[in-house]
Parts: sequence; C-alpha cells; structure tokens
Amino acid sequence: AQSVTQLDSQVPVFEEAPVELRCNYSSSVSVYLFWYVQYPNQGLQLLLKYLSGSTLVKGINGFEAEFNKSQTSFHLRKPSVHISDTAEYFCAVSRTNAGKSTFGDGTTLTVKP
Amino acid sequence: GAGVSQSPRYKVAKRGQDVALRCDPISGHVSLFWYQQALGQGPEFLTYFQNEAQLDKSGLPSDRFFAERPEGSVSTLKIQRTQQEDSAVYLCASSSGQGNYNSPLHFGNGTRLTVT
Repeated sequence: AQSVTQLDSQVPVFEEAPVELRCNYSSSVSVYLFWYVQYPNQGLQLLLKYLSGSTLVKGINGFEAEFNKSQTSFHLRKPSVHISDTAEYFCAVSRTNAGKSTFGDGTTLTVKP
Repeated sequence: GAGVSQSPRYKVAKRGQDVALRCDPISGHVSLFWYQQALGQGPEFLTYFQNEAQLDKSGLPSDRFFAERPEGSVSTLKIQRTQQEDSAVYLCASSSGQGNYNSPLHFGNGTRLTVT
C-alpha cells in the first residue's frame, strides 16, 4: 500500500517570496510522483511529474520539485510566487497507472500582495 | 468542447434517492477514471475504464456505487439509495493513454453531491 502526507494544510506567503510545499510518501515499491494544482472552481491540472532520471523536475508556471528517495519526499518549490499561484496543490503517487493515484489531502497556497 | 465535461455541476439528493452523474471525456481518450473527493481531503480513486471495459473498480465503496461506459465514451456514475456519507465532489478524468503513466490526466470540474 502507499500513502501520501502533505505536511502543511495551509501556506500563506507574500507575493514574490519563495515557497516550498512539502510532500512525503510511503511505499514498499518504486513509485511515480505527481503534483497537481486546482484553481478555484476549476478541475485539477498536472503541474509536473517524476517518472525516472533526474531527481529535479521542472513543471509549468515556474514550479519545480525534487525527488529524494532516501527521505521519501517530493517537495514542490517556486522561487518567486505570484498572486495567481493562489490555489490548492495536491501531491500524488502511483505504482503503475498514473490514473490510479493516491493523493494527499492538499495544501492551500495563499499568496498575499 | 476541449475539456472533460461533467454534469450536473451540483446535485442535491434526499437520503435514499438514486443519482446519476455524467462524464463526457475528451474525444478519443481511451482511459477514464472516477474519483471521490470529500471535503478537506484529496481525491480517492473509485474506478477505471479502458474504452468500454471497466478494468478496475476496487475503489468503489459499496455495491450501491455503479459505473458504466457502454460505448467507450460517455460514462455515468450511479449511486443508489444515497447516504449522507456519499456527500462529496465526484471527479472524472480522462487520458489518451491506456493507463500509461506518461499520458497526462485531464480532470473535469467535478459534480458536488450533497445528500440531505
């Protein structure tokens, strides 16, 4: 079985500040890792994914995440956030099929002016 | 349309009623998934279709939940004898791949079901 823990339910930051949203997972086998973003009143959208290879993954909107196998983490980062980044962010893991993923409970990122 | 469409957007049902939630995936997408998202939680997998075949229904919480995709396109999630614990947002997602992790998921905006 696999599980995902998003360590912060809410993260408030000021515009242009850096941000890190933390995600830890547990799994007895190798997994694939994903970050999704959900803007208000919209569906989930894939931000980035780690399948294999380089542990630093770059996604859309200037986000990146680093896979750390020893710490079983996949933290999401952005060096400078914008008001428009205000949204709910979900970390997810999958053993095989990306569609059958286990999601964390989400982190609400609020960017203040 | 260009995206995954779900209807209705909101549904209020009295306890014991049956409901049907519809998902129109992106045209040509082979894979279709249903998720349930309770308030304050992440989505939880319910079931997966590849074309018209339901390959995985391990996430359906009880036999009151039934999903179908008879022609490999539109899918319907049916909940019989709704209970209050069924209140959640039901998300549909589709992808062009056959369950391949390289194929990104496209999510609809969901149907918010409230059982009173």
